[in-house]
Amino acid sequence: NAGVTQTPKFQVLKTGQSMTLQCAQDMNHEYMSWYRQDPGMGLRLIHYSVGAGITDQGEVPNGYNVSRSTTEDFPLRLLSAAPSQTSVYFCASRSPVYEQYFGPGTRLTVT
Amino acid sequence: AQSVSQHNHHVILSEAASLELGCNYSYGGTVNLFWYVQYPGQHLQLLLKYFSGDPLVKGIKGFEAEFIKSKFSFNLRKPSVQWSDTAEYFCAVTPSSAGGGNKLTFGTGTQLKVEL
Repeated sequence: NAGVTQTPKFQVLKTGQSMTLQCAQDMNHEYMSWYRQDPGMGLRLIHYSVGAGITDQGEVPNGYNVSRSTTEDFPLRLLSAAPSQTSVYFCASRSPVYEQYFGPGTRLTVT
Repeated sequence: AQSVSQHNHHVILSEAASLELGCNYSYGGTVNLFWYVQYPGQHLQLLLKYFSGDPLVKGIKGFEAEFIKSKFSFNLRKPSVQWSDTAEYFCAVTPSSAGGGNKLTFGTGTQLKVEL
């Protein structure tokens, strides 16, 4: 039982490049989400999903896309990276009793 | 929409000192409340949670929190901190209504440093 896994751990992008952050969970949780963590701002919700085929926007969705084709996977796509997207990204899945399990994070730098 | 305030951004304590971290939320209905901890270089872990019932909840590693509804507060406490408690602590809230739990809102965090 690996919990929530994320790849890559580190990534450097140039402005305008696109990439996908991968997230997978093996706990059969319906609910998954993506957060970004910035100094002094805590964690902010980007997108979330309540099950395969269902996604919705969080607090800061602009510049990011998500899809949920399976229960296990919830990738986050940056369409055209900007320096403002430099951050640490955490994926999480939530149990039926509302306990969130976080992945190890992806540290993204956009130059 | 709900919001969370953590007024202590940085706290420095000596080992064995008592800890209390403040958390206040804003929301007009019933809520579920959480405290998460992030140790240096690690991901967030759940310390404790409150859904209903006894307003004093106990979590892992000797932490506890008290929900005071009239004050919209959920302060985190520990009687005697250890150097290993050095970490960042986040309070979080979600409405307890159906569907409301889909949006977990975090406070900005409190960085705790425990000195030997």
